[in-house]
Amino acid sequence: QVQLVQSGAEVKKPGASVKLSCKASGYTFTDYYMHWLRQAPGQGLEWMGIINPSGGSTIYAQRFQGRVTMTRDTSTSTVYMELSSLRSEDTAVYYCAKIAVAGTWGWFHPWGQGTLVTVSS
Amino acid sequence: DIQMTQSPSSLSASVGDRVTITCRASQGLSNYLAWYQQKPGKAPKLLIYAASTLQSGVPSRFSGSGSGTDFSLTISSLQPEDVATYYCQAYNSAPYTFGQGTKLEIK
Repeated sequence: QVQLVQSGAEVKKPGASVKLSCKASGYTFTDYYMHWLRQAPGQGLEWMGIINPSGGSTIYAQRFQGRVTMTRDTSTSTVYMELSSLRSEDTAVYYCAKIAVAGTWGWFHPWGQGTLVTVSS
Repeated sequence: DIQMTQSPSSLSASVGDRVTITCRASQGLSNYLAWYQQKPGKAPKLLIYAASTLQSGVPSRFSGSGSGTDFSLTISSLQPEDVATYYCQAYNSAPYTFGQGTKLEIK
């Protein structure tokens, strides 16, 4: 079955960077776009960007431009999301989510289990 | 960017009740609208896509309707396991946007 397994929780200091991973299995990795989203404590869902695992092209939400980098490793079916210049407001659970239908931008299914990133001095 | 406005923000209902959550988009979406259920401490789970198509494995008491700017998610007979926060999501173009969520509780 399709599965997305994310890396473990991280604690970072303000100004540092964090790189999260999301390992996919159960489908052809390069056929489906992957998204990254986040959810601050007690808050709603925020879309961060999308990566095409086939060619590596990306689109980032404007508010993260310059701070976020999404990459992929096709040999391990893993996508990565690196966020730099961390501040306390970046404390959140970060999710990867697979696009449900190949070749579309549509809805997300499934989601990874989430990775908690805590930014604290 | 498209703004998504969900209502109500919270809702308390009895087991067996019919429950409806609404979502309004600031621009027309056609039917590019999905609904997700998120239980505490868990990742969101897809319920409905294309405004009204039930995801495989989702109980038939869940249904979606609407097009353009006004959408709704209905639970025909509320069950205890439906306690969760529900989100609508527009996906006609980037940036993808979500409603602020509706927290559903049992009376």
